[in-house]
Amino acid sequence: GQQVQQSPTSLVLQEGENAELQCNFSTSLNSMQWFYQRPGGSLISVFYNPSGTKQSGRLTSTTVIKERRSSLHISSSQITDSGTYLCAILNNAGAKLTFGGGTRLTVRP
Amino acid sequence: EAAVTQSPRNKVAVTGGKVTLSCNQTNNHNNMYWYRQDTGHGLRLIHYSYGAGSTEKGDIPDGYKASRPSQENFSLILELATPSQTSVYFCASGDAHREGDTQYFGPGTRLLVL
Repeated sequence: GQQVQQSPTSLVLQEGENAELQCNFSTSLNSMQWFYQRPGGSLISVFYNPSGTKQSGRLTSTTVIKERRSSLHISSSQITDSGTYLCAILNNAGAKLTFGGGTRLTVRP
Repeated sequence: EAAVTQSPRNKVAVTGGKVTLSCNQTNNHNNMYWYRQDTGHGLRLIHYSYGAGSTEKGDIPDGYKASRPSQENFSLILELATPSQTSVYFCASGDAHREGDTQYFGPGTRLLVL
């Protein structure tokens, strides 16, 4: 079965609204990472967050290992936040990342 | 700033033809990776490498070979391309054993197999 699942698969917001993206994983992990991908672009690391809560500007990531989940909160969304957000786990077996299917976020004016 | 480059950026190939995708990194990272991205599947790992001369199978290696001739270069080879290999391919480098480190991705290669 799929090891990393993200929800929702897509999300449309009005500018200024908040977003909560979820990532659930079914295997043990060494780390949890969130990536941002601009439409048609490459991936950029947003958070390396193996546990607990981290904040960077309007973005907050919370990982709860016991519950096998991580979330990415975007506050006061902006049009430039539009894109795909992917979570990925680095498992205990080695240096490989396993990605979720991503959440496609569209922020409208 | 980490730098991963890929070539070509776009490629059209014919079924049965040979395709080589190249990746270069200037980060001096030990690990390099090849992924493909398809709608609904996120990124899936094809092959990876722990250093020059090493290649390892990822989650979907069938139909692909990899070559790591040096620390900087990692190639993905499609000996007999098929339409099902039409996708966007990403190369990445990283040193995952270092806490806080991540993978740095190249710009991607769009491959169309006709």
